[in-house]
Amino acid sequence: SAVISQKPSRDICQRGTSLTIQCQVDSQVTMMFWYRQQPGQSLTLIATANQGSEATYESGFVIDKFPISRPNLTFSTLTVSNMSPEDSSIYLCSVEDLEPGLVGNEQFFGPGTRLTVL
Amino acid sequence: AQSVTQPDIHITVSEGASLELRCNYSYGATPYLFWYVQSPGQGLQLLLKYFSGDTLVQGIKGFEAEFKRSQSSFNLRKPSVHWSDAAEYFCAVGARDYKLSFGAGTTVTVRA
Repeated sequence: SAVISQKPSRDICQRGTSLTIQCQVDSQVTMMFWYRQQPGQSLTLIATANQGSEATYESGFVIDKFPISRPNLTFSTLTVSNMSPEDSSIYLCSVEDLEPGLVGNEQFFGPGTRLTVL
Repeated sequence: AQSVTQPDIHITVSEGASLELRCNYSYGATPYLFWYVQSPGQGLQLLLKYFSGDTLVQGIKGFEAEFKRSQSSFNLRKPSVHWSDAAEYFCAVGARDYKLSFGAGTTVTVRA
């Protein structure tokens, strides 16, 4: 299974600023995902990031607020722009573990980035 | 679109007792089903998954889950819980576009 790291693990930011979160995988993966977990809530998919194409955003999330980069098959970044206290959440990246011939693959998650916006 | 319901927000169980967490899903085709566990301050760890075949699946840490198509359920069970099982448990359903939809989660407290 893939091993995923995220930086930073946590941060406290001022409103109006931006934070870029990095996700690094120890193997090449096609599909990477970014999720948000608001305090006491479940996970909500922000976007799907495939290398070589624009990220696909879910309803309620826009590129101007959450720009994503995917420069290669092992790395992605999520930026939380013009932050407000409502952006305080845990942000997690995940990757699809593709096994040849297997449909319905599982996702492996990074440890998350805990963001607090003051 | 798929969705997941976890009816129990919080469950308290005694150490050594059995545990069952409920999960109901909504999806038009054969679902891919997952249970993840999130310990305090940790990321999500996959406990088990169901894609097809045997409807009773075994996972890590002594957990198992049973897929019941007629009830649209995928309940998680453990015969004897340990204090280290205290965590948040999420059921998730996957579609063929690889996106996962998560339930709201069930918090498990283990008392001595």
